[in-house]
Amino acid sequence: QLVLTQSPSASAALGASVKLTCTLSSGHRSYAIAWHQQQPETGPRFLMKINSDGSHIRGDGIPDRFSGSSSGAERYLTISSLQSEDEADYYCQTWGTGVVVFGGGTKLTVL
Amino acid sequence: EVQLVESGGGLVQPGGSLRLSCAASGFTFNNYDMHWVRQPTGKGLEWVSAIGFTGDTYYPDSVKGRFTISRENAKNSLYLQMNSLRAEDTAVYFCARVIDGTYEDYWGRGTLVTVSS
Repeated sequence: QLVLTQSPSASAALGASVKLTCTLSSGHRSYAIAWHQQQPETGPRFLMKINSDGSHIRGDGIPDRFSGSSSGAERYLTISSLQSEDEADYYCQTWGTGVVVFGGGTKLTVL
Repeated sequence: EVQLVESGGGLVQPGGSLRLSCAASGFTFNNYDMHWVRQPTGKGLEWVSAIGFTGDTYYPDSVKGRFTISRENAKNSLYLQMNSLRAEDTAVYFCARVIDGTYEDYWGRGTLVTVSS
C-alpha cells in the first residue's frame, strides 16, 4: 500500500535552516513526490516536485531558499534562511495508477 | 494568472446531496487534469476525486459510489456531485489543477461543506 509518513512537527530558529522528511512506504522508493505549503486559513501552495534521483522542479514564484533532495525512500524539503512567513503546515504527496496519497503533514514552527 | 474559485458549499443534513463547482481561469482548462481534495477542520489533506482531460475519473474507496466528479470544458468549470453525505464528509473542499495526472500545481481557496442535522 502506498503510504507517506511525515513527522507531525518541526521547529527551527528565524534565519536558520530546517530539513523536513517524507518517507515512502516499502516497495515505493522510486516514486516522485510533491511538497505543498499551507499557511493558516488558506489553500495549499505547490512548492516543488522531487524525483527519486533528487532532481526537483519548483513551483511558480517559489524562492531558491526552498530546495529538495532524495535518499532511498526519503524525500526532503530544506528551507534555508527561515522567515516568519515560513511557519506553516507542509504536506508531501505522491501518486500511482488511480490513486493519490498525502502525508499527514508537518507543522513547522519558526522560533 | 491561474485562478481556481470553488463555490457551492454549505450546511446539509446527513443523507443529503450537494454540488460543488470550481471556476477556472488563466489557463487552457481542457488541457489539464483536475482534482478535488478535502480537509476536515484541524486535520490533513485527503484526495477525493480526479478527472483527466479526456474525462476518465478516479475515486478513493471512501467516496466511491457517492461522489461524482465532472467537467464542462466550454465553461471552464469543474464539478463535484456529492450524494448520501455523512458527518465525516464535513471538510473544506479544494479544487486543484494537476500536471499530467501527478501532482497539483495550483489550488483554490476552498469551500466549506458541513454535514449535520
